[in-house]
Amino acid sequence: GQNIDQPTEMTATEGAIVQINCTYQTSGFNGLFWYQQHAGEAPTFLSYNVLDGLEEKGRFSSFLSRSKGYSYLLLKELQMKDSASYLCALMDSNYQLIWGAGTKLIIKP
Amino acid sequence: IAGITQAPTSQILAAGRRMTLRCTQDMRHNAMYWYRQDLGLGLRLIHYSNTAGTTGKGEVPDGYSVSRANTDDFPLTLASAVPSQTSVYFCASSDTGVDTGELFFGEGSRLTVL
Repeated sequence: GQNIDQPTEMTATEGAIVQINCTYQTSGFNGLFWYQQHAGEAPTFLSYNVLDGLEEKGRFSSFLSRSKGYSYLLLKELQMKDSASYLCALMDSNYQLIWGAGTKLIIKP
Repeated sequence: IAGITQAPTSQILAAGRRMTLRCTQDMRHNAMYWYRQDLGLGLRLIHYSNTAGTTGKGEVPDGYSVSRANTDDFPLTLASAVPSQTSVYFCASSDTGVDTGELFFGEGSRLTVL
């Protein structure tokens, strides 16, 4: 079967760095996605990793280790607007997305 | 720039009633999806369509039906609504010709079944 785990909630301070982890188990893998979802809004795409390593995009970076079934999203120089839920999603062998429950990130001044 | 439009944005519905959630995209994406999002759970795929004229069942298809008569429209119908179908419903589309397969979401339809 397939399973995705990520923490339910995290708290961080404005200006700091936070790492949101995502672990997964799957029989087939075609990439891992991170999406951001502000409360009451639609999810929006942040990053996509299909090969091992770090993908950097401005203040956000995403890392993947396929052998460990592990990914993380790194947010630097946190801003209040980064308060949102962060969704990890796995693309399986049928190219369908399997979603984690999301990590609610609370940023405090 | 419209992207994906869903209607209605919110609806309260009596159990047993029929309801259609509308979804229209103007990006000419070939693939479209319907998800439901419930507190504490990840997005769950209800139905999908890889191209106009074809549809497929997702993880939680029971009680729902879809059609894809053309590229732009992908309505979701609840034939006889039940309280367990109370949820936020998101329509999404993707251009499967792009490597990332990024999904573009509509703003969601909040449905309450009483």
